[in-house]
Order: sequence, then structure tokens, then C-alpha cells
Amino acid sequence: DAKTTQPPSMDCAEGRAANLPCNHSTISGNEYVYWYRQIHSQGPQYIIHGLKNNETNEMASLIITEDRKSSTLILPHATLRDTAVYYCIVRPAPSGNTPLVFGKGTRLSVIA
Amino acid sequence: GAVVSQHPSWVICKSGTSVKIECRSLDFQATTMFWYRQFPKQSLMLMATSNEGSKATYEQGVEKDKFLINHASLTLSTLTVTSAHPEDSSFYICSVRLAGGPGEQFFGPGTRLTVL
Repeated sequence: DAKTTQPPSMDCAEGRAANLPCNHSTISGNEYVYWYRQIHSQGPQYIIHGLKNNETNEMASLIITEDRKSSTLILPHATLRDTAVYYCIVRPAPSGNTPLVFGKGTRLSVIA
Repeated sequence: GAVVSQHPSWVICKSGTSVKIECRSLDFQATTMFWYRQFPKQSLMLMATSNEGSKATYEQGVEKDKFLINHASLTLSTLTVTSAHPEDSSFYICSVRLAGGPGEQFFGPGTRLTVL
């Protein structure tokens, strides 16, 4: 069962903001939204996560709608090294050993 | 974040041989590690959950006798692909999960297995 929906691919000009959307209309009240990315032939890299408030760190910002049914990952100034597949994942608050389950993600291409 | 290493980073083997992949948590103790595999142009698929000191839990469709997992210590889990065949060629990635809090999951760099 796909719990998130993401566009399969996006392009972004280098230096511009990359806004990656994710729909998670069936999210439950105790589920977090996680974002990871995978650069070609590497393991996934954690980016950011949030529950209901917007979050920002050194890599990105996460904007979660008030109804929590969708979110947007923002890379404020995309570089060529941000070219990767970006995964939006929802998962319950940790208790036990629930692993991350990956969907198909969005392939972001940053273009010079 | 947590540092996770894998060894080897790539391996080529003949059909019928066994290959062992190591996953190490370098800067903290991990009671739980996860093993994923990824075929070309596809997403990561969870294979099994490895618990220190106990048997691994395998996902449906993953043969436990073919993919042997040993989690003998809090910093090391191994995946052995027994009697490998070309269809086992894939990118194998391990992951550790931090205990407590939101439980971020961190991933190793992956091991590319090619079976000839």
C-alpha cells in the first residue's frame, strides 16, 4: 500500500529553490513525515523529518500543511550535487523496530 | 548522524559461491539493523530485520536459508548470500536505527554484488 505519492521526476535550475511535493492523505496522527535522498550508487541519506510543525535544518526545510495531508521539501539553493532520488516516507512514532519503507520517490535533476 | 560502514563496497563472484557482507555501526550500539536490496532503477526493498542476539525477521518472499543474517554484537551484522546466482546481483544496503526519540534511520554506503 502506497502511503505517499510523489511525482516521478522534477528538474531544477542550479541555484534556484527545489520544491519537492509529497501527498500523504491517509497519514495518522502519530505518524512522522521523513525525507531521505539517494545519490546514485550510494546509501540513502537522512534529510529531515517532522510531525506537524515546519522544520528547517542545514540541508532543507520541510513544510507540512495544517491538515498534514501533504508536505513539501525545500532545498533553498539547489546545486548539481543535489541531483538524487528523494523519498518521502511516513512512519509511526518509534516504538518497536518499524523500519522505513521506501516508495518510488522523485528523481530530482539539477541542471546547470 | 550515525556512521554506518559496509564491507566490501563491491564484490564479483561466480555462481554457486557464497558471499558475506558486513555492516558495522561505528559510533553507537545498534540493537536493530535492517537489510535492504535494490535492483537497478528500482526502490529499496526491505529484506529483513536483524536483532542482536536473536533470529532475524524476514520479509515475505525473502528466503531465510539463502540470505543468512547474523547479528552477533551491537556493532556488527552480517548478511551471507549463499549459493549465489545471477539473479541475486543487486545493491545491498544495511541500516541502523537509533533507539529513542524519533528514531532516525541511517544507512550504510551499500555493497554492489555481481554474480557471474
